[in-house]
Amino acid sequence: DTVLTQSPALAVSPGERVTISCRASESVSTLMHWYQQKPGQQPKLLIYKASNLASGVPARFSGSGSGTDFTFTIDPVEADDIATYYCHQSWNSPPTFGGGTKLELK
Amino acid sequence: EVQLQQSGPELRRPGSSVKLSCKASGYSITDYLMHWVKHRPEHGLEWIGWIDPEDGETKYAQKFQSKATLTADTSSNTAYMQLSSLTSEDTATYFCARAYSGRFAYWGQGTLVTVSS
Repeated sequence: DTVLTQSPALAVSPGERVTISCRASESVSTLMHWYQQKPGQQPKLLIYKASNLASGVPARFSGSGSGTDFTFTIDPVEADDIATYYCHQSWNSPPTFGGGTKLELK
Repeated sequence: EVQLQQSGPELRRPGSSVKLSCKASGYSITDYLMHWVKHRPEHGLEWIGWIDPEDGETKYAQKFQSKATLTADTSSNTAYMQLSSLTSEDTATYFCARAYSGRFAYWGQGTLVTVSS
């Protein structure tokens, strides 16, 4: 299975720029997607196919990458962005998720 | 508007089974694969499997092969997941999610399953 590695946590302040990385154990082409999950809620799709903004998602969110290295950026961070962010690849079977990166306030 | 409405929380004894439902509205479930995902806060998200409601074809992650059974009822536009031989490791929130080009744009609200004696 394709293993996706994310850093477990990041501390941020509102107004800052934050970048979350996701490294795949093998190429996933550009079929990498990013989700936001808040406690008690379902995940929400933010970015699909590495760099495409999902419908209704603010342009503060962006993504880039291909192959095995991907980044997800929030610029600027707002207080409401405090959540856990997951990468997800659908190029290889089975689909897999990263372990999640929890954004915390400094 | 696409919505996935999942069934309510469940409390089960170890060794028992549970069947969760995911009722779709705003589209026909035969048009898209339905995936199921497990969430435990300390373990993140785990993909369980998918079903093609049009023909009943299923695919499971290896670790859920003997744990989960996915079915669908096209007459009620509902997908189901049965979990068997429950243990404390199955205590989690389970989500259904509609797939399109591999991504999950629509998710149910989740069903919390608690396994406890």
